[in-house]
Amino acid sequence: QLQLQESGPGLVKPSETLSLTCSVSGGSISSSSYYWGWIRQPPGKGLEWIGTVYYSGSTSYNPSLKSRVTISVDTSKNQFSLRLNSVTAADTALYYCARPARGGWDDAFDIWGLGTVVTVSS
Amino acid sequence: DIQMTQSPSTLSASVGDRVTITCRASQTVSSWLAWYQQKPGKAPELLIYKASSLESGVPSRFSGSGFGTEFTLTISSLQPDDFATYYCQQYSTYSTFGQGTKVEIK
Repeated sequence: QLQLQESGPGLVKPSETLSLTCSVSGGSISSSSYYWGWIRQPPGKGLEWIGTVYYSGSTSYNPSLKSRVTISVDTSKNQFSLRLNSVTAADTALYYCARPARGGWDDAFDIWGLGTVVTVSS
Repeated sequence: DIQMTQSPSTLSASVGDRVTITCRASQTVSSWLAWYQQKPGKAPELLIYKASSLESGVPSRFSGSGFGTEFTLTISSLQPDDFATYYCQQYSTYSTFGQGTKVEIK
């Protein structure tokens, strides 16, 4: 069965770039569902969609984050990645990768990774 | 962008109670509305998609209804495993989540 796992640094300095990777197992990133997403959750708060990537590399981003976000796919490694530039303390959150349930740009998410905590602090 | 507002923010209930959570959208999202359950330290789990479709494996005591801007999640008979936080999500235009409703033991 399809599984997702996030990885990356747990601590990032203010103004630097947050970089995370989501590894897909139990299926191919380019055939299983085709779309892949990132969602975050600040401590004690609700969920925020960051963006979605298609296996071909096309992307859709949250307008509030669009100027700072890049999501990409590496089909050879069966992974997709998140980069968030110019981070501040407000970017401190639990970051999840997830799969859109029925394969689409705007969709519910049925498979989630466990999440990885990223703290922005000097 | 579309704002999602859930009510109440916290709900106290007992095992066996019928529980209803409301989610309102700032503009119409048609039926593009999902509900999730999240327990502490865990990722959200999809319960309902397209406003009223039950995700595979989800108990039938969960149901969803609504269209346009007003939606409800109902738990027909609250079970001990249901004490958690519930989120709605619109996916009509991009994706936006509600702020969450915590269902706690009365």
